[in-house]
Amino acid sequence: NAGVTQTPKFRILKIGQSMTLQCTQDMNHNYMYWYRQDPGMGLKLIYYSVGAGITDKGEVPNGYNVSRSTTEDFPLRLELAAPSQTSVYFCASRESAGNTIYFGEGSWLTVV
Amino acid sequence: ELKVEQNPLFLSMQEGKNYTIYCNYSTTSDRLYWYRQDPGKSLESLFVLLSNGAVKQEGRLMASLDTKARLSTLHITAAVHDLSATYFCAVDMKIQGAQKLVFGQGTRLTINP
Repeated sequence: NAGVTQTPKFRILKIGQSMTLQCTQDMNHNYMYWYRQDPGMGLKLIYYSVGAGITDKGEVPNGYNVSRSTTEDFPLRLELAAPSQTSVYFCASRESAGNTIYFGEGSWLTVV
Repeated sequence: ELKVEQNPLFLSMQEGKNYTIYCNYSTTSDRLYWYRQDPGKSLESLFVLLSNGAVKQEGRLMASLDTKARLSTLHITAAVHDLSATYFCAVDMKIQGAQKLVFGQGTRLTINP
């Protein structure tokens, strides 16, 4: 099992550019999450999904969009990158009532 | 508003000493996680605490959960340098029909020789 795979690992964006962070899991989990972690801080929830076709906002959704067309994939889209979106992004997945939460390796994004 | 608060946020210890990190949360939950994060790395799961009174131990780390007090502790015994990292607690709760993990701010632990 590959678990939760995120790409890219590192990316530098210019202000106003757009990009998509990819997240794939091969465990057939219903729940998927996107978190961001600013330097020296805890993780904050951006968006989550409870199954294919179902997504909802978390604590800090502004400036981001998501989709969940399949169980496996949960991409995070940044439409107009801003310096405030410089952060580390983590994708995670779990079974609906599962105790174990699986995190990806993270994506380091810098907006300049 | 749901809050998860850790203290201290920074902790510098000497090797061989004992210390405790506290995690308070503001609403009912029966499931709490402790994670370790090394610089530039993802989260490593340490403990999942599933019920009131749960206690788990792994090596020099021991975690406990008091759901009535909404408090979890991570106790470090006879600290060694390898335990230097940032430690996060996270509370699992059902919000608007969906399970979500809400994180504390993290405790940056430095263990000096």
